[in-house]
Amino acid sequence: EDQVTQSPEALRLQEGESSSLNCSYTVSGLRGLFWYRQDPGKGPEFLFTLYSAGEEKEKERLKATLTKKESFLHITAPKPEDSATYLCAVQAQNSGNTPLVFGKGTRLSVIA
Amino acid sequence: EPEVTQTPSHQVTQMGQEVILRCVPISNHLYFYWYRQILGQKVEFLVSFYNNEISEKSEIFDDQFSVERPDGSNFTLKIRSTKLEDSAMYFCATAGLVRTDTQYFGPGTRLTVL
Repeated sequence: EDQVTQSPEALRLQEGESSSLNCSYTVSGLRGLFWYRQDPGKGPEFLFTLYSAGEEKEKERLKATLTKKESFLHITAPKPEDSATYLCAVQAQNSGNTPLVFGKGTRLSVIA
Repeated sequence: EPEVTQTPSHQVTQMGQEVILRCVPISNHLYFYWYRQILGQKVEFLVSFYNNEISEKSEIFDDQFSVERPDGSNFTLKIRSTKLEDSAMYFCATAGLVRTDTQYFGPGTRLTVL
């Protein structure tokens, strides 16, 4: 069974204090690993897709990396507007419209 | 930038009633999904839909649930006889020309069953 575990569950940072979120996964052949941002009461907002170990993607203060067992979302010099829940999801190599398997997310709070 | 839209944003219903949740996919997207998120829990897959038929469904998607694309644009999720445990946020997601394309999510419908 495909599984995604995210840590920590919650993270509180001071503005400008860099940190990393972890996503560990087990999947029967990885097609892609996805990072989404979710604000309270809203739908997941797409951030990145990573397909193979060693791949990195960047967007503003966020950088996502991928190994064969986990992915990290690095947040550099965060701002209060980066406060949200960050979701990691995997998509297996499979036939059909492969659904995403999500982790529980990391709730990030950035304090000014 | 194209977006997935969903209506209504909030639906309150009595237990045993039927509800229909609606989604307008991004234009030209071919793959459609419904997910749900119970308060404080993970986003869970319900069903995927392609070429006017269900491609895959989870254990949650039992006989009380159905999906269709009635007019070639809207994508709907029907729950025939709602239960208290159906209370959740329901998200529609759509993907483009390839089944492994990124899935873009709508803003969700909050369903409250009383």
